[in-house]
Amino acid sequence: NAGVTQTPKFRVLKTGQSMTLLCAQDMNHEYMYWYRQDPGMGLRLIHYSVGEGTTAKGEVPDGYNVSRLKKQNFLLGLESAAPSQTSVYFCASSLPSGRGGEQFFGPGTRLTVL
Amino acid sequence: EDQVTQSPEALRLQEGESSSLNCSYTVSGLRGLFWYRQDPGKGPEFLFTLYSAGEEKEKERLKATLTKKESFLHITAPKPEDSATYLCAVQKGNTGKLIFGQGTTLQVKP
Repeated sequence: NAGVTQTPKFRVLKTGQSMTLLCAQDMNHEYMYWYRQDPGMGLRLIHYSVGEGTTAKGEVPDGYNVSRLKKQNFLLGLESAAPSQTSVYFCASSLPSGRGGEQFFGPGTRLTVL
Repeated sequence: EDQVTQSPEALRLQEGESSSLNCSYTVSGLRGLFWYRQDPGKGPEFLFTLYSAGEEKEKERLKATLTKKESFLHITAPKPEDSATYLCAVQKGNTGKLIFGQGTTLQVKP
């Protein structure tokens, strides 16, 4: 079991460029999440999904889009990167909260926007 | 407004010196309180879930407790390998969403 994996591990973008971060999980979890982690700000939820084909906004969704076409994958897109999106991005997955609900996190993607 | 506050921000201990980390929260409709450990450059690693006031859970040198307003993570006789950032998070609603505190960075010196 690989758990939650994230691709890529590191990326440097120029302002205005676009990119997609890929998250994959092999635990058959229904729920998936994207967070960003910034110094002094803690982990903040960007978008989440409670099932294949469904997505919803979290606390800081502006500038990001997501898609969940397959149960095991959750993609995070940046259409036009800005320096304020420099951060470490974590993906997580879980069973529905009534069945444990603890989230399992990936290793993170460190993104720098110049 | 839902809020999770952890204290202290940083804690330095000598090996064997027991202490506690605090997580206070104001959340309506709490479904669970989670503790995670995060090592530098890695993702958070799940430690405990607490569901109701009075509940306690233990794992090796760690013990988590929960009241109606706060949770404590007690570390007994810590070792250098316990050095990490400890994150507290609360869950509300049925979407599994977590609200995280800012974390406590623990350093245990030999």
